[in-house]
Amino acid sequence: GQNIDQPTEMTATEGAIVQINCTYQTSGFNGLFWYQQHAGEAPTFLSYNVLDGLEEKGRFSSFLSRSKGYSYLLLKELQMKDSASYLCAVRPPSFQKLVFGTGTRLLVSP
Amino acid sequence: GAGVSQSPSNKVTEKGKDVELRCDPISGHTALYWYRQSLGQGLEFLIYFQGNSAPDKSGLPSDRFSAERTGGSVSTLTIQRTQQEDSAVYLCASTPNLVLGSYEQYFGPGTRLTVT
Repeated sequence: GQNIDQPTEMTATEGAIVQINCTYQTSGFNGLFWYQQHAGEAPTFLSYNVLDGLEEKGRFSSFLSRSKGYSYLLLKELQMKDSASYLCAVRPPSFQKLVFGTGTRLLVSP
Repeated sequence: GAGVSQSPSNKVTEKGKDVELRCDPISGHTALYWYRQSLGQGLEFLIYFQGNSAPDKSGLPSDRFSAERTGGSVSTLTIQRTQQEDSAVYLCASTPNLVLGSYEQYFGPGTRLTVT
């Protein structure tokens, strides 16, 4: 089976750092994605991890530990525009459909 | 270039009616996916097309749902005899040739379906 867990909602202050966690139990693993989705818009790609470790891309970083079934998305120097839902998704070995978590709604306040 | 486009952006229909949702993937992308996102829920996989291979229909919730992809490009998702629980945002995504190692899915803006 497939199970992906993320916190439902988080709040943070502009300029701060926030870490959004994702844990997964899936039958097979071939990579983990993070997507950002603003209200009423399509998800947009943020990061992809297939090997353990930290991938840094500007203000956003993503970490993966395959042995622990754990990933996090780290957002630094938060801006108001970062208020959005952040979706964690796992790719099974078949290279086909992504299995998505329910998403974490992040609210950034002044 | 142009991204994934979907039409209509919004659709309101009466219970029991049939609806067709359209997706135009990015030109040259061989893989196409349909997902459904209900309020407060994650994206739910519906169906996947890859080139000329048989589609993966494992996510379709009932036989009222069907999809086709003509000429390896445009796809249509059809929902027959719509029910209120079908109300959701239907998202389409496409990717380049998976064999070449491209993994990112590019999403369209979605069609918001409301069944009254």
